[in-house]
Amino acid sequence: SQQGEEDPQALSIQEGENATMNCSYKTSINNLQWYRQNSGRGLVHLILIRSNEREKHSGRLRVTLDTSKKSSSLLITASRAADTASYFCATDEQAGTALIFGKGTTLSVSS
Amino acid sequence: DVKVTQSSRYLVKRTGEKVFLECVQDMDHENMFWYRQDPGLGLRLIYFSYDVKMKEKGDIPEGYSVSREKKERFSLILESASTNQTSMYLCASSPRQGADIQYFGAGTRLSVL
Repeated sequence: SQQGEEDPQALSIQEGENATMNCSYKTSINNLQWYRQNSGRGLVHLILIRSNEREKHSGRLRVTLDTSKKSSSLLITASRAADTASYFCATDEQAGTALIFGKGTTLSVSS
Repeated sequence: DVKVTQSSRYLVKRTGEKVFLECVQDMDHENMFWYRQDPGLGLRLIYFSYDVKMKEKGDIPEGYSVSREKKERFSLILESASTNQTSMYLCASSPRQGADIQYFGAGTRLSVL
């Protein structure tokens, strides 16, 4: 029942560049979340955007949500080496309890 | 600060052994979750619990069971470990009903030989 699918699977950029990751999903949602996972560690919540919101910012992160296209994007501006990690989107099936995670985008930022 | 603690970071077990993975949260959260994470497959939900002594199957419950005797503790049990259960196991908790923000432990990397 995997719902979110991230694109691209892997992304390599230089420090200072922007990184954009996309997430597509299949059914109606109440909210969509983005998480980061450093290598071999647990996931850390980054940002939550509700279905009635179109854009949300948190520091260098910008998330957009287009419910008509069932897609979201995560933009990291002015990337740093410390942003190297895997990024996952997660969605809820309406009235559900559990989140459904995508397979993730692996971001590599080199200095 | 929110804290989810998994009892082991690395674990090596033999085929056929009974394995217990423990998870404790100190945030009085209602919901707790167990996932496994494998390369190319992402996170897959094994079981979750929305209350003490309550449990719900996730996408891949076969070969696993869970126990939640106290609100803060959620245990994952591999009744008879098999090599295909070699994986990274992640525990998470969330405050409320519904798909709320989840807080994750650091993970347990289990190898079954």
